[in-house]
Amino acid sequence: AQSVTQPDIHITVSEGASLELRCNYSYGATPYLFWYVQSPGQGLQLLLKYFSGDTLVQGIKGFEAEFKRSQSSFNLRKPSVHWSDAAEYFCAVGARGTGGNQFYFGTGTSLTVIP
Amino acid sequence: DGGITQSPKYLFRKEGQNVTLSCEQNLNHDAMYWYRQDPGQGLRLIYYSQIVNDFQKGDIAEGYSVSREKKESFPLTVTSAQKNPTAFYLCASRMVGGTGELFFGEGSRLTVL
Repeated sequence: AQSVTQPDIHITVSEGASLELRCNYSYGATPYLFWYVQSPGQGLQLLLKYFSGDTLVQGIKGFEAEFKRSQSSFNLRKPSVHWSDAAEYFCAVGARGTGGNQFYFGTGTSLTVIP
Repeated sequence: DGGITQSPKYLFRKEGQNVTLSCEQNLNHDAMYWYRQDPGQGLRLIYYSQIVNDFQKGDIAEGYSVSREKKESFPLTVTSAQKNPTAFYLCASRMVGGTGELFFGEGSRLTVL
């Protein structure tokens, strides 16, 4: 069965420090992979996505993620965190093909940034 | 600007009442989705639709109903049969095929009094 695991429920980092949010997935083939960010009481905004090609993908707001097939991982990174990055982050897997009806979301990682 | 509009932003309901949440998109997307979000549980799929006049149940469809009479609209009705309806509801859409990412609305928070 398809699933997405975000092992860290909550992470606290200092402003200016580096950040890595973990994501592991279970899927029968190479999926589409996404990272979304959600501010309190708001919808989800796409940070970045992986479909094929270069396994290191760049996104908005200075984020990047690396797809590692051997580890079934798609970890999100940022070299220097800003206070405005405090939010909830969701990793998601999407089914390939014309069907592609469903996405599978992790339970999210809440990020706190301290001055 | 293209996007997804959900209304109302906040909604209060008495037990036993049905309520309908609106979702409209002007992105010309084929597929539309409704998710429920509860703290610590991520997003759970309620219903989705890939084409007008057709929709499928997701993982937690009991107590909910939808319609897809127009491509741009996908309203969700929370019925009195839903035992725990207080939650944050998110509507999303995507183009079938292509890169296929989901685009989300701003959400509707339903509180049952």
